[in-house]
Amino acid sequence: QVQLVQSGAEVKKPGASVKVSCKASGYTFTTYAMHWVRQAPGQRLEWMGWINAGSGNTKYSQEFQGRVTITRDTSASTAYMELSSLRSEDTAVYYCGRGVGGVDNWGQGTLVTVSS
Amino acid sequence: SYELTQPPSVSVSPGQTASITCSGDKLGDKYVCWYQQKPGQSPVLVIYQNSKRPSGIPERFSGSNSGNTATLTVSGTQAMDEADYYCQAWDSSTSYVFGTGTKVTVL
Repeated sequence: QVQLVQSGAEVKKPGASVKVSCKASGYTFTTYAMHWVRQAPGQRLEWMGWINAGSGNTKYSQEFQGRVTITRDTSASTAYMELSSLRSEDTAVYYCGRGVGGVDNWGQGTLVTVSS
Repeated sequence: SYELTQPPSVSVSPGQTASITCSGDKLGDKYVCWYQQKPGQSPVLVIYQNSKRPSGIPERFSGSNSGNTATLTVSGTQAMDEADYYCQAWDSSTSYVFGTGTKVTVL
């Protein structure tokens, strides 16, 4: 069965960067895109960007352009999302999700807390 | 930037039909998905490509998309359907965007 397992919770100071990983199993990693979505406490889902796991091509939301970088390691079937210049408003649960057109499988989420 | 608007809340009695709307400019020209999210859990895809159901999603979930509005309909609503629901639209120019979310309460 498809599984997406994300790295553990992080606590960061304002101005720092965070890198969250998402290890995929149960399918051929390079045949699907991987999305990154975040959700601040009590707020809506927010799409951050995606990577074509086969080609490595990426597309980012304008909201995060310049601060987010999505990469992948095909040998490890793992995708990564790095967010820089963190501020308190970036405190959220970050999800990875597989799919094209719709995210049909989601990771368990990674809580990133930004606090001085 | 492109925006999708949903009603903040919808209330429905058990066994009745719940309709959740999602509004956006020329939304009918885009593909729409719907997600269900229960507290503390990751979202679950319930509708993709406007009206298709992933395997394992009950037939009581259906979707449509035309003009400026997409609609998720839950027929014969059950207590387990109480959750937040989000629409999502995408096309080559919009990339992906989520709606504002709707809390469905089964009274």
